[in-house]
Amino acid sequence: EAQVTQNPRYLITVTGKKLTVTCSQNMNHEYMSWYRQDPGLGLRQIYYSMNVEVTDKGDVPEGYKVSRKEKRNFPLILESPSPNQTSLYFCASRGQGWDSPLHFGNGTRLTVT
Amino acid sequence: QKEVEQNSGPLSVPEGAIASLNCTYSDRVSQSFFWYRQYSGKSPELIMSIYSNGDKEDGRFTAQLNKASQYVSLLIRDSQPSDSATYLCAVRNTGNQFYFGTGTSLTVIP
Repeated sequence: EAQVTQNPRYLITVTGKKLTVTCSQNMNHEYMSWYRQDPGLGLRQIYYSMNVEVTDKGDVPEGYKVSRKEKRNFPLILESPSPNQTSLYFCASRGQGWDSPLHFGNGTRLTVT
Repeated sequence: QKEVEQNSGPLSVPEGAIASLNCTYSDRVSQSFFWYRQYSGKSPELIMSIYSNGDKEDGRFTAQLNKASQYVSLLIRDSQPSDSATYLCAVRNTGNQFYFGTGTSLTVIP
């Protein structure tokens, strides 16, 4: 089954404790992206990657890191999480075609206390 | 100015009625337009995509695009309680990036 898999689904952590949210896709998509979703603000892009070893900042990259060492994986790293990073996070991927939609993972609900 | 704007709602319609959801976008040369449905706490799922001016129908759903007015809409005919969700409008701009509206909350009343 074609899918984007994120882990974990739920994560509660404390301020300053480094964490990684994993994302993997099995559709051979070159493009992958991370979004955060907050009430009233909608989906905002954190980082995206057009291909292996190519990453770029989205609209809200502060406090986040990403890496793209393999085509299928695109982990999101919070090196020193803060309470304002409490949010619902989605990983997404899409194919190369101009008409290709985004396919979303199931989401990770992160709480930073 | 936001890239994509939607009325946040909430929009309430009785079961069996037509629900009309609207979206405007700022990048005049955007190419691709998508409607996603999102249930509370779940991930967005694609309902429809549209690329050319006019209407595109898929079952109970019709997407409408007017590039001159920079306007996209989604009509849901014979609305069902299971259609109650937040609907996200997404636009892929010339930079190949997706921008999302904040979503319109729809409630279908049995």
